[in-house]
Amino acid sequence: DGGITQSPKYLFRKEGQNVTLSCEQNLNHDAMYWYRQDPGQGLRLIYYSQIVNDFQKGDIAEGYSVSREKKESFPLTVTSAQKNPTAFYLCASKLQGTSGANVLTFGAGSRLTVL
Amino acid sequence: ILNVEQSPQSLHVQEGDSTNFTCSFPSSNFYALHWYRWETAKSPEALFVMTLNGDEKKKGRISATLNTKEGYSYLYIKGSQPEDSATYLCASPSEGTYKYIFGTGTRLKVLA
Repeated sequence: DGGITQSPKYLFRKEGQNVTLSCEQNLNHDAMYWYRQDPGQGLRLIYYSQIVNDFQKGDIAEGYSVSREKKESFPLTVTSAQKNPTAFYLCASKLQGTSGANVLTFGAGSRLTVL
Repeated sequence: ILNVEQSPQSLHVQEGDSTNFTCSFPSSNFYALHWYRWETAKSPEALFVMTLNGDEKKKGRISATLNTKEGYSYLYIKGSQPEDSATYLCASPSEGTYKYIFGTGTRLKVLA
């Protein structure tokens, strides 16, 4: 079955360490997204990518980096520059399209805790 | 930044009650409005995609309407059941059709 796989599901990190969250999709979707969720808040966009080798900052990109070397993969690195990295991270993807009618498909999420 | 707002933030209803909640979005440069249901410990799943003013979509006991001129969408649940308990999210793209911005969600709890 096609879908999005995020790993790890849970991750603990010490302050000052970089960590990378994996997101892989086998849906042949062109666009991929990273969102962050904090308690009591909605999903906030970190980065998105419309095509391979291209990505754009979302609303809260500071302290994060991404790459899009393959269509299927969009890893997110949480760097030590991110002041409050403890959060739930969701990856999503969708088919390319200009009508806005293509829905987002989400992974199961990764919960990052900084100790 | 595109501002998508949802109300209420949370809601408790009794089993069998009907309920509705609101998603507000800027009416200018409208492309689409998505509704998602996010159950605990699962991934968000798409409910509806709405693109035209006056759109009405229905899936079982859940339906949605869209008013692009005034910038709002309503989600209705008829005869709520405990399995309807979830967070309902709406999202709208800004800057074209790739940058999807989400509202804060409405957390629904249906009491048996």
